Amino acid sequence: NAGVTQTPKFRVLKTGQSMTLLCAQDMNHEYMYWYRQDPGMGLRLIHYSVGEGTTAKGEVPDGYNVSRLKKQNFLLGLESAAPSQTSVYFCASKSRGLNTGELFFGEGSRLTVL
Amino acid sequence: QQPVQSPQAVILREGEDAVINCSSSKALYSVHWYRQKHGEAPVFLMILLKGGEQKGHDKISASFNEKKQQSSLYLTASQLSYSGTYFCGTERGSGTYKYIFGTGTRLKVLA
Repeated sequence: NAGVTQTPKFRVLKTGQSMTLLCAQDMNHEYMYWYRQDPGMGLRLIHYSVGEGTTAKGEVPDGYNVSRLKKQNFLLGLESAAPSQTSVYFCASKSRGLNTGELFFGEGSRLTVL
Repeated sequence: QQPVQSPQAVILREGEDAVINCSSSKALYSVHWYRQKHGEAPVFLMILLKGGEQKGHDKISASFNEKKQQSSLYLTASQLSYSGTYFCGTERGSGTYKYIFGTGTRLKVLA
């Protein structure tokens, strides 16, 4: 059982380039999230989805777009990468239900923008 | 805004106790606690759903004061394996499933 898988694990981009991070979960979870983690800033929510075909903005959505065309996949796109987007990106998923609060995280994707 | 955690960092000797606080300027509907080892993904520790609730397993426990919009994580008789960064998490708005995390507390346990 793979859980939450992120690809790629590492990527180096030049300013202005575009890329897509893929998050795939095999737990049939309804909710999926993208976070970025920077030193001293903790985990900040970029976008999230409460079901297939739905997306919503998080706390730091600017410069990112997302899509959830299939329940198991949540894509994070950078249309024109900037050095400020250098970070470690984590995807997470959660099952429906108030008492199942656990978010399951992927291993992270380290992105460097030069 | 993110919930604010204090202290930002703490160093302990094995066997010592620590308290990590999580404070929010907005209502807390539930509180989760996670631990992240260096270079790894965060791992779930526990969730508190109601104000006044206290939970614990092994020597790690937590409390939730809904009125004060605060939660605290208690680490008793710390072990080397407790080292890592601890995050509180909360749902920003009841029923929104918009989960955000606190600023984090780096904990280092020395032998």
